[in-house]
Amino acid sequence: SQQGEEDPQALSIQEGENATMNCSYKTSINNLQWYRQNSGRGLVHLILIRSNEREKHSGRLRVTLDTSKKSSSLLITASRAADTASYFCATGFQKLVFGTGTRLLVSP
Amino acid sequence: DAGVIQSPRHEVTEMGQEVTLRCKLISGHNSLFWYRQTMMRGLELLIYFNNNVPIDDSGMPEDRFSAKMPNASFSTLKIQPSEPRDSAVYFCASSFQGHETQYFGPGTRLLVL
Repeated sequence: SQQGEEDPQALSIQEGENATMNCSYKTSINNLQWYRQNSGRGLVHLILIRSNEREKHSGRLRVTLDTSKKSSSLLITASRAADTASYFCATGFQKLVFGTGTRLLVSP
Repeated sequence: DAGVIQSPRHEVTEMGQEVTLRCKLISGHNSLFWYRQTMMRGLELLIYFNNNVPIDDSGMPEDRFSAKMPNASFSTLKIQPSEPRDSAVYFCASSFQGHETQYFGPGTRLLVL
């Protein structure tokens, strides 16, 4: 069964806007990762946040982690059409369990 | 620097036929993962290896599925006999053992008629 549930399932925004997607998980974790999947492609690792971290930045990405609520969020600032993809959270070590994903559409 | 390589990229076969999917790890990586992605079940881990040794195959659907690593850089996933419900995109991924980040191949889109 899916460990992570993500919402929204789909998100449609305009270029330049910010996109926020959320992930909830069920069990205790040591870290949480976010991956991106472009249509018809494999997944690409974006960022990893450890359980003792609350926030992490990488370029236009900002990830937060709230272990008390078992949730994480991924914020993409100043979105671009090239950010159109599905985004997945994943928990675990080696035996990764992926969330259901958020489909992001960024329109020019 | 080549990433994970999978072949074939697309496979169409008839029910009952044997299907073999192939994966070449990134040079130097020693962990290998096979995943299956469907609309209904999302992305599921089927099996993973460390240093050519299968560690966890609990995600393998049934005995029709088998995976091997004949050497440190190559793996196969075989389905025999194939069934229409096996239709999915199959990904392999590799990593350095002990590292959380996995690097995915482009996937093999399998259609079983």
